[in-house]
Amino acid sequence: NAGVMQNPRHLVRRRGQEARLRCSPMKGHSHVYWYRQLPEEGLKFMVYLQKENIIDESGMPKERFSAEFPKEGPSILRIQQVVRGDSAAYFCASSPLESGNTEAFFGQGTRLTVV
Amino acid sequence: AQKVTQAQTEISVVEKEDVTLDCVYETRDTTYYLFWYKQPPSGELVFLIRRNSFDEQNEISGRYSWNFQKSTSSFNFTITASQVVDSAVYFCALRSNSGYALNFGKGTSLLVTP
Repeated sequence: NAGVMQNPRHLVRRRGQEARLRCSPMKGHSHVYWYRQLPEEGLKFMVYLQKENIIDESGMPKERFSAEFPKEGPSILRIQQVVRGDSAAYFCASSPLESGNTEAFFGQGTRLTVV
Repeated sequence: AQKVTQAQTEISVVEKEDVTLDCVYETRDTTYYLFWYKQPPSGELVFLIRRNSFDEQNEISGRYSWNFQKSTSSFNFTITASQVVDSAVYFCALRSNSGYALNFGKGTSLLVTP
C-alpha cells in the first residue's frame, strides 16, 4: 500500500515562473491537505480538499496560489509568478476520514527553491 | 484559538541517555486530538502517535512513551535509551474535532551523538 506520493521532490523556479506541485493520496483516502514549511518554522496549514471540492482554504495566500483535487488524478498546488518568499517545503497529507479522530499521513514533501 | 508551544528549540544528548520533548497546547475545545510527528534529516514527516482528549492514559511503544496531562495541557514525549537514528526534528500538533487543520508547534531538533 503506497503512501502519499508527492512530486517532484525538488523544484527550482525562476522568479515569475509557475510552480506545480502534485500529490497522490494514499489508496482509499479522499481527503487531502496541503501544508507549507518555511525555513526554521513549523508547518502551516494551507488548504483542505476533497474530490472536486475545496473545503477550507483559509491558510492559502489570497493571490497567486490555487489548489485543486480533480475527480481523476492527483491534487495540484499551483503557484503563479513565484517570488523568493515562496521558497519552502510543501507537504501534502491525506486521511480517510474528515473528522479529527484520524491520522493524517504525509508525503515526503516538495522543496521549492525560487532563484 | 489553538496554539502549540514546543519551548525546546534544540536538544543534544549522548547516545543511551533518556530525553523528554515538551509540548504545551492551548485550546477552548473540549474534544481535540494531539499528535507527534518525526522529521528525520531526509525531510519526510513520519506519524508517531495520535491521542484524543478523552484518553489520558500514557502510551508506550518500544523506546517511545507519551505523557498526556490535561491538567497542565501538556503532551510530552520521552525517548528512552536514545540512539543516533533518533536524531530528527519532532513536531507536536493539535487538531480540534470540528476543524481540519493540524496546528503544529515549531518543532524540537534532537541531536543524538555517539
